[in-house]
Amino acid sequence: NAGVTQTPKFQVLKTGQSMTLQCAQDMNHNSMYWYRQDPGMGLRLIYYSASEGTTDKGEVPNGYNVSRLNKREFSLRLESAAPSQTSVYFCASTDRIYNSPLHFGNGTRLTVT
Amino acid sequence: QKEVEQNSGPLSVPEGAIASLNCTYSDRGSQSFFWYRQYSGKSPELIMFIYSNGDKEDGRFTAQLNKASQYVSLLIRDSQPSDSATYLCAVNLLALRINKLVFGAGTILRVKS
Repeated sequence: NAGVTQTPKFQVLKTGQSMTLQCAQDMNHNSMYWYRQDPGMGLRLIYYSASEGTTDKGEVPNGYNVSRLNKREFSLRLESAAPSQTSVYFCASTDRIYNSPLHFGNGTRLTVT
Repeated sequence: QKEVEQNSGPLSVPEGAIASLNCTYSDRGSQSFFWYRQYSGKSPELIMFIYSNGDKEDGRFTAQLNKASQYVSLLIRDSQPSDSATYLCAVNLLALRINKLVFGAGTILRVKS
């Protein structure tokens, strides 16, 4: 019963490098989300996918792209990493877009030097 | 004004006492409210959700919602050292007809034995 699985757990990038954060859920949820968490700022929504085939920007989408590969998988890509993207990234899912709690993955700690 | 506001704390209470955590939100149209607990270095985990005005109890936890005053609170009775964590308030906002879950920055709770 894995729930929401994120890979990798840790990553160090140099400025300008690219990478993709992977997320998969096995709960047959329709909606998936990417958040970043920075000290003192709480969780901020980067992108979300209300259902397979759709994606929408959240509060802080600049510098990121996403792909809803299928119902299970939702990836986050940093095309050209910047030090401001140093953060902890959480993927989450829920069975409905509204009035439904989120189930979180274990997070990816990303450092950009 | 932030969309969801919490006192950052830390809130210190002795073991066995009642801890009271508060959260205010800006969007009067919000309909669903969530409390998450986050231990250091871990992902948020859902404690409670509430949709209607009044109190909702689950074990040692009580969520209280007052939509007229736009606040939601979490009471933890018989606080234990294991309750020491950051508590995140999350609100599903309806602003601009976009459904999204917005998090407060969190309140640090410390329970002293």
